[in-house]
Amino acid sequence: AQSVTQPDIHITVSEGASLELRCNYSYGATPYLFWYVQSPGQGLQLLLKYFSGDTLVQGIKGFEAEFKRSQSSFNLRKPSVHWSDAAEYFCAVVPSGGYQKVTFGTGTKLQVIP
Amino acid sequence: EPEVTQTPSHQVTQMGQEVILRCVPISNHLYFYWYRQILGQKVEFLVSFYNNEISEKSEIFDDQFSVERPDGSNFTLKIRSTKLEDSAMYFCASSEVSGTEQFFGPGTRLTVL
Repeated sequence: AQSVTQPDIHITVSEGASLELRCNYSYGATPYLFWYVQSPGQGLQLLLKYFSGDTLVQGIKGFEAEFKRSQSSFNLRKPSVHWSDAAEYFCAVVPSGGYQKVTFGTGTKLQVIP
Repeated sequence: EPEVTQTPSHQVTQMGQEVILRCVPISNHLYFYWYRQILGQKVEFLVSFYNNEISEKSEIFDDQFSVERPDGSNFTLKIRSTKLEDSAMYFCASSEVSGTEQFFGPGTRLTVL
């Protein structure tokens, strides 16, 4: 079955430390991949996306993600976390080929400690 | 920068009542979507809409739900007879092309009492 897995429900990092949020997908072909961020009570903001090409993609707010086909992964990274990065992060996929339904992972809640 | 807007931001209703959630997608987008997020859970797809008809819907989107584009700018989600379990945040999204980046609105929090 097609699925998106975010194995970490909750992550705590110190401000200034590096961050990696994991995402694995299970689809027949490489889907389109996204990371969204949701601050408390807010909507979903797109951080970055991967459709094809360079497997390392840059996004907003200093985030990047690397697509690894062999591992079916699309992990989100940031070299130095800021307190304002505290939020919930969702990995999401759309099957390639013009499909419309976005399937979201269960989310990873990031806590940043001073 | 163009954005998706949704009204109201919070709707409280009694069980059994009808509610209409409103969305204004980005003006040149052709594909429209509704998602919902029950508190503490992941975001779930409800329905997609293109060319004035539903193109895909999930098993959640039963006969109690309907969508409409009543004019050239609005996109609505109607829940005919609300249940307690309909309490959730409802997100509208739009995209220019099918299968690409979807832009999400800020959401409407629906509380069913």
